[in-house]
Order: sequence, then structure tokens, then C-alpha cells
Amino acid sequence: DIVMTQSPLSLPVTPGEPASISCRSSQSLQNNGYNYLDWFLQKPGQSPQLLIYLGSNRASGVPDRISGSGSGTDFTLRISRVEAEDIGVYYCMQALQTPYSFGQGTKLEI
Amino acid sequence: QVQLQESGPGLVKPSGTLSLSCTVSGGSVSSGSYYWSWVRQPPGKGLEWVGYMYYSGRSSYNPSLKSRVTISVHPSKNQFSLKLNSVTAADTAVYYCARGHGGFYYHYGMDVWGRGTTVIVSS
Repeated sequence: DIVMTQSPLSLPVTPGEPASISCRSSQSLQNNGYNYLDWFLQKPGQSPQLLIYLGSNRASGVPDRISGSGSGTDFTLRISRVEAEDIGVYYCMQALQTPYSFGQGTKLEI
Repeated sequence: QVQLQESGPGLVKPSGTLSLSCTVSGGSVSSGSYYWSWVRQPPGKGLEWVGYMYYSGRSSYNPSLKSRVTISVHPSKNQFSLKLNSVTAADTAVYYCARGHGGFYYHYGMDVWGRGTTVIVSS
């Protein structure tokens, strides 16, 4: 099984400032030129919502200040300017092979 | 706009069977472009993928649940369901249903989620 490791697990942020979260996988997530790595945000009291698929593609409605990058085993989620609505727990998930697996989550808090 | 809604008992006895349904509105479970998933979250913990099924019958489950889990698609009701046998307290969690968009050669992620339903395993 593929193990996903996120860091940091807690990230204090200041509105207007940038933030980044790292996600590493125990094996390469690359297949046919695509990286099977998704990012989700779970806001307090809500269900997870898809932010990024295939490493760097924004899901519908996701603002362009949120971006994903990386390849192989190392990935990063960046927020160029944090807003209050960005608060919650961010999860990376590998979708290369089943069982799909999530990182532990990174709590973004002001 | 596609929406998902979980339903089922909130309390299940140990060694019993957990049975949940997810009703799909604004779309069809019969579409071949999507897979129908379950993800769970124990209290205060992270997300765990349970499994998925396509309308075609292709399915995959988390081996950590061994052979206790079954996901089914019910086109006549536009629903899909989760059954988990021989439950223990470790199966206590919020269970989310989700729609995945993808196939063998394309992937757009799990883009629609239900609100989740809490299931407690206790006598």
C-alpha cells in the first residue's frame, strides 16, 4: 500500500500571507505523464471538498490563489494569500492504485 | 447540480451489520463516467477510503476491511449502498458517500460529497 505523509500537521497562518503544505508518497504517483495526487479541504463541520486533481488541476470553483505542484513522490499545495475561508484541514490523497490513501491532514489555523 | 445524501441507522450493535444508502439527485448512478465511493472518518481522526463501485460492476475495497464490506449500485432507486459486516467499536465513524469522476485512462477526482452520517457501534 502507498503511504502518504504530510507536513506540517499544524500551520498557523496570517490572513494575506502565503502558506504551503507538503505531501510525500512512499512510491511514485506518476503514470502516463500524470501524477495521481489530489488535494481536499475539510472546513470545520463540513464534508471534504475537492481542490486539486492530478497534482495541479484546480477543481471547479477553486480560486486561482490555490495551486498544486510537484511530481513523482513530492507534492506541494500553495495558497498565495490566505483568506479566512481557507481555514480547515487539508488532505492529500493518492489515486494511483487502490486502496486509495490519504495523508494525516494539515490543520490550517489563524 | 449533483447532490448526494447519506441515510441509515445511526446506531449499530457490535457484531451486527452497518447498512447505509446514498441517494443521488441531479444525476444518474448509471453513468459510466463515474464511480461511487464511501469514505469514513473516525471521531477526531483523518479520512479513510472504504471502497468504490462503477455502474458496470467494477469495484475495489480497502483490504483493511478484509471481506466485511460490500458496495452496491441500485439504478432503479438512483442510489448506491454500503454494507459492513461484523462491526466493532473501531467502525464508529462519520461515513461519507462521494462521486468520483474517472476511469481507466482519465481522472478528475472525487468531486461531489454527501454531508456525512454518523454511525456509532455500541450495545
